Amino acid sequence: GAGVSQSPSNKVTEKGKDVELRCDPISGHTALYWYRQSLGQGLEFLIYFQGNSAPDKSGLPSDRFSAERTGGSVSTLTIQRTQQEDSAVYLCASSLNPAGGPDTQYFGPGTRLTVL
Amino acid sequence: GDSVTQMEGPVTLSEEAFLTINCTYTATGYPSLFWYVQYPGEGLQLLLKATKADDKGSNKGFEATYRKETTSFHLEKGSVQVSDSAVYFCALSDLQGGADGLTFGKGTHLIIQP
Repeated sequence: GAGVSQSPSNKVTEKGKDVELRCDPISGHTALYWYRQSLGQGLEFLIYFQGNSAPDKSGLPSDRFSAERTGGSVSTLTIQRTQQEDSAVYLCASSLNPAGGPDTQYFGPGTRLTVL
Repeated sequence: GDSVTQMEGPVTLSEEAFLTINCTYTATGYPSLFWYVQYPGEGLQLLLKATKADDKGSNKGFEATYRKETTSFHLEKGSVQVSDSAVYFCALSDLQGGADGLTFGKGTHLIIQP
């Protein structure tokens, strides 16, 4: 079946603009995760959804970052008033997340965001 | 909080050499441990995992054993190939740490020369 897909694959924006990044998880996966991969910070966890709710927003770096998930499927990560330090590859992952323990996370190809 | 420490490299080896990439961790609870691999131009893929002490994960000739006493999950392969050139990430998932996201090490860039 299809894997995790993300769009756009590349996004170049100007400082101060808002951007929306999209993630389509594997069908049937209830858990969805956003990560950020940058040269300086490595791979950082941003936010986790179980269904449509986000029990863990601890990794969001500032209040300019927000995310939502609708219908237990597609998720969007929104960055408002982008800054140059937001430049990174944003990765989405999904998992079955059965009760009682962590499950393997499957990653999408990422969106490379460049803020000029 | 939880953390993962691994050698960053780059690690350069000749084909057929023995590989070890060290990984140690700190965790609040009893984590599951993972190795992910990122080949050039591709996304992150799970290589192997272990969910409890003394478990051995294995895949594609790679192995790693969950050592609770030394809080380690070192990755090994007996004979590497050029096609193993990639970035390898050690990671943990610790539900008792309060988050279900993975905590990653910085990644180890492995270069295999023919």
